[in-house]
Amino acid sequence: KQEVTQIPAALSVPEGENLVLNCSFTDSAIYNLQWFRQDPGKGLTSLLLIQSSQREQTSGRLNASLDKSSGRSTLYIAASQPGDSATYLCAATLVDSWGKLQFGAGTQVVVTP
Amino acid sequence: GAGVSQTPSNKVTEKGKYVELRCDPISGHTALYWYRQSLGQGPEFLIYFQGTGAADDSGLPNDRFFAVRPEGSVSTLKIQRTERGDSAVYLCASSQGALAYNEQFFGPGTRLTVL
Repeated sequence: KQEVTQIPAALSVPEGENLVLNCSFTDSAIYNLQWFRQDPGKGLTSLLLIQSSQREQTSGRLNASLDKSSGRSTLYIAASQPGDSATYLCAATLVDSWGKLQFGAGTQVVVTP
Repeated sequence: GAGVSQTPSNKVTEKGKYVELRCDPISGHTALYWYRQSLGQGPEFLIYFQGTGAADDSGLPNDRFFAVRPEGSVSTLKIQRTERGDSAVYLCASSQGALAYNEQFFGPGTRLTVL
């Protein structure tokens, strides 16, 4: 069974610092890995999706890397802003799983002004 | 265009009652997923529809839970004889097709509270 782990569970940084969020998974037979943002009481907003054949994806200040062999993905957020405060979740899609996502528990991020 | 919508946004019910939760996927999306998220946890898969049929219902916790998608668009998650442990946020997601690498788009969720 795929296990997805996110460490740390919570993170607080001053505005302007770079954020590094970690995600690890136990089964390397994945189709892709997706990063989401969740604001309190809200649904999930997709940030980046990395296919298994890719090493990284970038969107604006966000960059996500994927290393299947070590079972790790990292989300980098450059020059953090208070508006980046949210919970960030990673989710893996296993091969032969009909696309269902296996989520980590998330990292709660607070960016202080 | 419109995103995934879910109704109601909040539902409070008493133990033992029956509830229905509705999901309207993005127009044209053939794949639809239901997930359940408990406090402090990531969402857990419940059921997957491709078109009108449930291709994978392995995540449904027991036979009190049932979901339908009769016309291949709107889906309804039905919970019978609700229990306090069913309290959670129920999330719906849709994607363009059956391919596992298609990006999933989530609705805002329905927060279910069973008293």
